[in-house]
Amino acid sequence: SQQGEEDPQALSIQEGENATMNCSYKTSINNLQWYRQNSGRGLVHLILIRSNEREKHSGRLRVTLDTSKKSSSLLITASRAADTASYFCATDDRGGKLIFGQGTELSVKP
Amino acid sequence: KAGVTQTPRYLIKTRGQQVTLSCSPISGHRSVSWYQQTPGQGLQFLFEYFSETQRNKGNFPGRFSGRQFSNSRSEMNVSTLELGDSALYLCASRYRELGTDTQYFGPGTRLTVL
Repeated sequence: SQQGEEDPQALSIQEGENATMNCSYKTSINNLQWYRQNSGRGLVHLILIRSNEREKHSGRLRVTLDTSKKSSSLLITASRAADTASYFCATDDRGGKLIFGQGTELSVKP
Repeated sequence: KAGVTQTPRYLIKTRGQQVTLSCSPISGHRSVSWYQQTPGQGLQFLFEYFSETQRNKGNFPGRFSGRQFSNSRSEMNVSTLELGDSALYLCASRYRELGTDTQYFGPGTRLTVL
């Protein structure tokens, strides 16, 4: 079963624009992680945000977490064609099991 | 450090057969988890092994099993394959440090059941 939902399911933007993806989850969490997946390949870990953090940055990525609303967002600034991929949020059920959202398919057009 | 490796990368089997997939975690990581990814169900947790013991299990039938060796390498076995077992099987190597708990994934094994 999926922990949460991601919004939008698909996003198409031009290179240089910003991309924002949202994730909602249902239960309390230790942390939330974002992953990228290119064309059915393995998942690449992007960033982890702890439950006591509100915002985190890594290069062109900015993640926010609102535990009161049980939601997170991933912002990719100045998108590039190479950012085209599916993006997943995942929460830890406190037992080490990651529960994934359905993902957002991002398409960045040159 | 080398990343998570999975073998084989692609596999084609027929219904009723069995299959074994292998995963080597990042050096020093003792926890290995397995996930199944399908277009319909998305990413779903299969099981986790730590120090050769299954520590957590997802909601999959008993045809799906696994084990972990003393060097932390893990294998996953699916017996009596069904068409619905066609999926990308991902292995993750888990690392805990100071309140963070990060899982690093391998490239996956694409299993096709005919």
